[in-house]
Amino acid sequence: AQSVTQLGSHVSVSEGALVLLRCNYSSSVPPYLFWYVQYPNQGLQLLLKYTTGATLVKGINGFEAEFKKSETSFHLTKPSAHMSDAAEYFCAVSDGITGGGNKLTFGTGTQLKVEL
Amino acid sequence: DGGITQSPKYLFRKEGQNVTLSCEQNLNHDAMYWYRQDPGQGLRLIYYSQIVNDFQKGDIAEGYSVSREKKESFPLTVTSAQKNPTAFYLCASSTRSGRGETQYFGPGTRLLVL
Repeated sequence: AQSVTQLGSHVSVSEGALVLLRCNYSSSVPPYLFWYVQYPNQGLQLLLKYTTGATLVKGINGFEAEFKKSETSFHLTKPSAHMSDAAEYFCAVSDGITGGGNKLTFGTGTQLKVEL
Repeated sequence: DGGITQSPKYLFRKEGQNVTLSCEQNLNHDAMYWYRQDPGQGLRLIYYSQIVNDFQKGDIAEGYSVSREKKESFPLTVTSAQKNPTAFYLCASSTRSGRGETQYFGPGTRLLVL
């Protein structure tokens, strides 16, 4: 079964600083990887997705992630943090289910705080 | 606007009571999902449905039941057998159920026990 590890349950950055949120995965097949963002008491919004092809994936709101097979990583970055980026971020891997179906296996999330 | 709606936003359950959470989508998606979110645990899959009149158990189905009588609706019932129901419940849907399909999420329902 697939699994996802997000290092750091809380990350704090200054406004304008680089954002780096870490995600490592375990998968027995070529992975499909996702990053979602969640604002308080809301649902999850897709930031970006990796399937195949280009390993650098660009998403919404200036975020991007790089798939590194050798490191089994899919870290999320943004060059310059904005106050509106404060939220919880989830990395997920898509896992096929016996008999069909698609299950997302999520990491435990990283809470991003942006300080003035 | 196309999207996923969940109601109510907050739901209170008394001990021994069954409650039903609503999930509706107008995206014409075949597949629908229910996840449970607890602090510090990420999201866990409760049930999923690949097509109308069909559904399968996820990782934590005990104490829950679902139905899929219409393509656009996938209600979740939290039964009295679920001893720890307090959580944030998220419904999602995807065009198809294949691996790699993007799942789109509703705004969630927070269930609290009185």
